[in-house]
Amino acid sequence: ETGVTQSPTHLIKTRGQQVTLRCSSQSGHNTVSWYQQALGQGPQFIFQYYREEENGRGNFPPRFSGLQFPNYSSELNVNALELDDSALYLCASSTGLLYEQYFGPGTRLTVT
Amino acid sequence: AQSVTQPDIHITVSEGASLELRCNYSYGATPYLFWYVQSPGQGLQLLLKYFSGDTLVQGIKGFEAEFKRSQSSFNLRKPSVHWSDAAEYFCAVGQANTGTASKLTFGTGTRLQVTL
Repeated sequence: ETGVTQSPTHLIKTRGQQVTLRCSSQSGHNTVSWYQQALGQGPQFIFQYYREEENGRGNFPPRFSGLQFPNYSSELNVNALELDDSALYLCASSTGLLYEQYFGPGTRLTVT
Repeated sequence: AQSVTQPDIHITVSEGASLELRCNYSYGATPYLFWYVQSPGQGLQLLLKYFSGDTLVQGIKGFEAEFKRSQSSFNLRKPSVHWSDAAEYFCAVGQANTGTASKLTFGTGTRLQVTL
């Protein structure tokens, strides 16, 4: 059974640019959540997708957006990158809203 | 709003010694509670979870945690620590009132160092 995978592993962008991060959920999982983990901090909830619909959002501005596809994979898009967006972005999937999440290895984004 | 406090930023224990990592939560009802472990530069691995029922839960790698409603705590324990347990440990709470275990609020983490 393949776990949660994320791509790319590392990414360097310039302030003002746009970025797309990708996540493949674990087989049989229909719920994907995205988290931002700044250095030395715990992960912060960005938003969640359940069966292709957004199902809740954390305290992040609209320039953070996402998608979930019919195969339940997901994308996180960030527009107008700021230096403070530098972080590890974690994707997690679960078999539903009532179940525990399993995390991918993350994408390390550096904004210069 | 729910919150999680991990009072200990950094803990050092000797290999073979017992371990207890503290976690306190703030939530209006019985929460969904989790402990995750993160090795440097890696994602998070689920150690154990509490949804309901027995307040002492067993997890992987010999870890256990006890839910104490009166103290709003969910402390993680291990009777004998191994050098490979050195990592960052995160306590998290899910939104039980909305039936959503998967929107997690995390604590700031406790870094565990193991000396040989």
